[in-house]
Amino acid sequence: GQNIDQPTEMTATEGAIVQINCTYQTSGFNGLFWYQQHAGEAPTFLSYNVLDGLEEKGRFSSFLSRSKGYSYLLLKELQMKDSASYLCAVMDSNYQLIWGAGTKLIIKP
Amino acid sequence: AAGVIQSPRHLIKEKRETATLKCYPIPRHDTVYWYQQGPGQDPQFLISFYEKMQSDKGSIPDRFSAQQFSDYHSELNMSSLELGDSALYFCASSLGTSGSTDTQYFGPGTRLTVL
Repeated sequence: GQNIDQPTEMTATEGAIVQINCTYQTSGFNGLFWYQQHAGEAPTFLSYNVLDGLEEKGRFSSFLSRSKGYSYLLLKELQMKDSASYLCAVMDSNYQLIWGAGTKLIIKP
Repeated sequence: AAGVIQSPRHLIKEKRETATLKCYPIPRHDTVYWYQQGPGQDPQFLISFYEKMQSDKGSIPDRFSAQQFSDYHSELNMSSLELGDSALYFCASSLGTSGSTDTQYFGPGTRLTVL
């Protein structure tokens, strides 16, 4: 079966750095996406990785290792507005997005 | 920049009624996806359309149907509504050929409440 694992919840302090991990087992791989979702709102696209390595975009970076079936989202200089759920999604061989359950990130002052 | 538009934003229906949700993709996007998301759950893929043809089907109940029109907007028709259909319904759009890895951009969602 297809499976995506990410922690259910994480807590971090404003101004700090947090890393949200995602491991996956899917039938084929056509890229990995990270989305941010505030409660009751739509998922917002953050990053897309299809090759191994680190993609940096401002305060957010995403890393992929295809051989390990592993990705992480790194958030730096955390702000209160970063409190949200972070969804890892993998596009499988049928070009369908397989979603993780999301990691709820709580930022404390 | 223009985003995905969904209407209505909120909808309250009673059991066994019907509902129609509308989605207007980002201009020039030719692929539309429908998702259902319950409280605390990840988005569940329902169905997608590329160039007005159904391209993929997920966990869409037989009571639901959808189509994409010539102007690329899409409608999700839901009949015989059940209490369990209460959820956020998201539409997403992307630009690309069928089988594309292009990023899906989400609309604001329609919150459906079935009483």
